Amino acid sequence: GAGVSQSPSNKVTEKGKDVELRCDPISGHTALYWYRQSLGQGLEFLIYFQGNSAPDKSGLPSDRFSAERTGGSVSTLTIQRTQQEDSAVYLCASSLTQGTGELFFGEGSRLTVL
Amino acid sequence: KNQVEQSPQSLIILEGKNCTLQCNYTVSPFSNLRWYKQDTGRGPVSLTIMTFSENTKSNGRYTATLDADTKQSSLHITASQLSDSASYICVVSLQGGKLIFGQGTELSVKP
Repeated sequence: GAGVSQSPSNKVTEKGKDVELRCDPISGHTALYWYRQSLGQGLEFLIYFQGNSAPDKSGLPSDRFSAERTGGSVSTLTIQRTQQEDSAVYLCASSLTQGTGELFFGEGSRLTVL
Repeated sequence: KNQVEQSPQSLIILEGKNCTLQCNYTVSPFSNLRWYKQDTGRGPVSLTIMTFSENTKSNGRYTATLDADTKQSSLHITASQLSDSASYICVVSLQGGKLIFGQGTELSVKP
C-alpha cells in the first residue's frame, strides 16, 4: 500500500484478555517503530526494529508487552493480560533509513480496556 | 540527559493570525530536527526537517528556524487557518538513530 497500515483501528477488550495489534509498514522501509499515546499526552516510545538487527525494546513498559517483526515487514504488538492503564492509541511508524529519516505514521490502533 | 521541551503547551489564536511555537533541546550528538503535525485522531505527518547547517526552511505557510548554538528551534505559522488546529511535535534525531520526542504544542485556531 501507499502508506503505513494498522489494524484494528479500534479495539475494545476486557481486563485480563490478550490483544494483538498489527502494522504493515511502507514497502522497502527497513526501520519500524511502535509508540503509545495516551489521551492528551505525547508519544511514548515502545520498541524499534531495524532490518535484521536485534530490536530496541527499551521502551516496553512491562513484560506483558512484546512485539515481533516477521520477514522484515509486518509487525505485531502483543499485550498480554491487559490492564485499564494500557488504554491508549498505539501508533506504528516506518522509515526508509534508521533514525535520521522521516517517520511515516499509521493512523493508529485505539485500544480500550474495560 | 537528552530532552526536548516545547512551549507553549497549548495555544489558542484567531483565524488569520500568526503564531510561533518553540522547541528547546538538550541533545547530543545532534543529527537533525523535524516538526510534525498531528491532526486529532490521525498519525503525525512531517512538516519540515532541519539539519545542523540550516537556519531556516519554509513549507508553505510554515517556516521553521534552527539555532544550533542555543539549541532552539521555532515553527512559525503565517495567516493561520482553521485546518492548522492540531498538535505540533518537535522530534530531534541523535547521530546513531535515536529519536527524542517533545510533548507537543496543542494549537487551536478559532474563527
